[in-house]
Amino acid sequence: EAGVAQSPRYKIIEKRQSVAFWCNPISGHATLYWYQQILGQGPKLLIQFQNNGVVDDSQLPKDRFSAERLKGVDSTLKIQPAKLEDSAVYLCASSLRRQVGHQETQYFGPGTRLLVL
Amino acid sequence: KQEVTQIPAALSVPEGENLVLNCSFTDSAIYNLQWFRQDPGKGLTSLLLIQSSQREQTSGRLNASLDKSSGRSTLYIAASQPGDSATYLCAVVYMDTGRRALTFGSGTRLQVQP
Repeated sequence: EAGVAQSPRYKIIEKRQSVAFWCNPISGHATLYWYQQILGQGPKLLIQFQNNGVVDDSQLPKDRFSAERLKGVDSTLKIQPAKLEDSAVYLCASSLRRQVGHQETQYFGPGTRLLVL
Repeated sequence: KQEVTQIPAALSVPEGENLVLNCSFTDSAIYNLQWFRQDPGKGLTSLLLIQSSQREQTSGRLNASLDKSSGRSTLYIAASQPGDSATYLCAVVYMDTGRRALTFGSGTRLQVQP
């Protein structure tokens, strides 16, 4: 079974530029997550999709970050314009489904390492 | 504020030692707790998931316990090996009304010396 795929693996941009990350979840997984992991910290959830609908984006900086999941499969996360503090690893994860009161294992991709200069 | 804290931040042990990693959380109303492993440049791998009704889970040389009343979990690694070197992250799903997201600790960076 193929895992969660992410691209690019690394990206270096200058502040105020825009950048986009792509994620392909495990086939059949209805729930998709984007996390931001700053060096030395644990991952922080940015946005969660159930199929192609957003179920939680309370920690997404909506003035500069946007995400979509067309057709309930692949997803893209965009930052425009980027700031120095956006330097982090952006992790995508997927799980089979989301049930209230239960938690399925989330499977993580390798992440995209972003450096903003 | 609902947080997860992991102590110590880093740990170095000789091969063969048994060790314990600690995790504490601020609210006992949780759905579950998970332990993850993260290798440099790679994503997270789920090691153990403990539902709120459970007290512990075991997988091979790993044993995780959960004490909701005290807000603590421990990950026990028996007979450590150099291949166990990685960062170990604890994450909790809190039973608040809006979010079902994982709240992560900052991790414990483990180095097992051969």
